[in-house]
Amino acid sequence: QVQLVQSGAELKKPGASVRISCKASGYTFASHLIHWVRQAPGQRPEWLGWIDAGDGETKYSQNMPGRVTIDLDSGASTVYLDLSSLRSEDTAMFFCARDRASKWKSFSLDYWGQGTLVAVSS
Amino acid sequence: DIQVTQAPSSLSASVGDRVTVTCQASQDISNYLNWYQQKPGKPPKLLIYTASTLEAGVPSRFIGSGSGTDFTFTITSLQPEDVATYFCQQCDDLPLTFGGGTKVEIK
Repeated sequence: QVQLVQSGAELKKPGASVRISCKASGYTFASHLIHWVRQAPGQRPEWLGWIDAGDGETKYSQNMPGRVTIDLDSGASTVYLDLSSLRSEDTAMFFCARDRASKWKSFSLDYWGQGTLVAVSS
Repeated sequence: DIQVTQAPSSLSASVGDRVTVTCQASQDISNYLNWYQQKPGKPPKLLIYTASTLEAGVPSRFIGSGSGTDFTFTITSLQPEDVATYFCQQCDDLPLTFGGGTKVEIK
């Protein structure tokens, strides 16, 4: 069965960086995009970007310019999200999610990781 | 960015009631709209994609309709396990954007 398993919760100080992992299994890793979405407490989800697990192409939201980087380790079927220059308002649950379509882009997210809580506090 | 406005923000209904949520996009998105269910402490779950197609394994009491800028999500007979927050999401263009959510409770 398809599974996305994320790394554990992180507590960071303002100005620091965080790296979150998302390990995929149960499907052909290279055939789907992986998206990253964050959700602050009580808020709507916010899309951060995607990576094509086949060729490593990325697209990012312009709402966090220069602060988000997504990359992957194909051999480990793992996608990473790096978020830099953390501030208190970045405190949120971060999710990876698989694009439903195989070998094209549907932008519908059918399987999600369990979420990684990133808390930013001095 | 395409804005997605969802209404109402919350509702309370009885078991067996018909429940309707609306979503309005700021521009024509054809049928590129999805609906998700999110329970507390869990990630969103895809229920309906491209406005009206039911994801595999999702009960048929969940129905989506609409095109262009106006969309509707209906639970035909509310069940206790449907207590959750529901989000719409436009998948027409980047950045992907979500509605503000509708919290559904049992009266």
